[in-house]
Amino acid sequence: DAGVIQSPRHEVTEMGQEVTLRCKPISGHNSLFWYRQTMMRGLELLIYFNNNVPIDDSGMPEDRFSAKMPNASFSTLKIQPSEPRDSAVYFCASSLRMDGANVLTFGAGSRLTVL
Amino acid sequence: AQSVTQLGSHVSVSEGALVLLRCNYSSSVPPYLFWYVQYPNQGLQLLLKYTSAATLVKGINGFEAEFKKSETSFHLTKPSAHMSDAAEYFCAVSPGGYQKVTFGTGTKLQVIP
Repeated sequence: DAGVIQSPRHEVTEMGQEVTLRCKPISGHNSLFWYRQTMMRGLELLIYFNNNVPIDDSGMPEDRFSAKMPNASFSTLKIQPSEPRDSAVYFCASSLRMDGANVLTFGAGSRLTVL
Repeated sequence: AQSVTQLGSHVSVSEGALVLLRCNYSSSVPPYLFWYVQYPNQGLQLLLKYTSAATLVKGINGFEAEFKKSETSFHLTKPSAHMSDAAEYFCAVSPGGYQKVTFGTGTKLQVIP
């Protein structure tokens, strides 16, 4: 298995532009998580899906952020319009339940820089 | 609500010395606990997990962690540090099932030759 695949790995954009981050989870995993990592705030959960349905989006910073999971093999995180404070590494993780625990497998991340 | 607190954002040890990274949890239900490791410019990787089967959990690369309910702790240890252990380590908690996983703020481990 190729693992969780994220694209793009790096994105540099200007303030006000739309940004779309993509994630392909591991086949057979039932849940998908989007996290954001910054030096100041650490690793923050933005949203997660179970069986393609959004369960908790309370971590989404504001209406500029949206996430979709149209099918079991694809998810997007969109920021429109982007702002410099959105600069961070965005991780997607999919999970498999093992011994009752939700075990996450992370992608390599998408590093976003908003100028 | 569940949370974890990692004591010490940076820890330095000499090569060959004991590694001890501290994690305390707060949970209203019996928790599932995890340790993940992150190497530079990579995603997080699972080191080990606690699922109530045994209080002492062994993971990859010689790491282990002990669940202590009375102390609400899940500290990570390794008897002898190796240079390749230099990374950032995250403790995490989940109520189980397909519910959200909450991470601590991370501890960067430096190994001094």
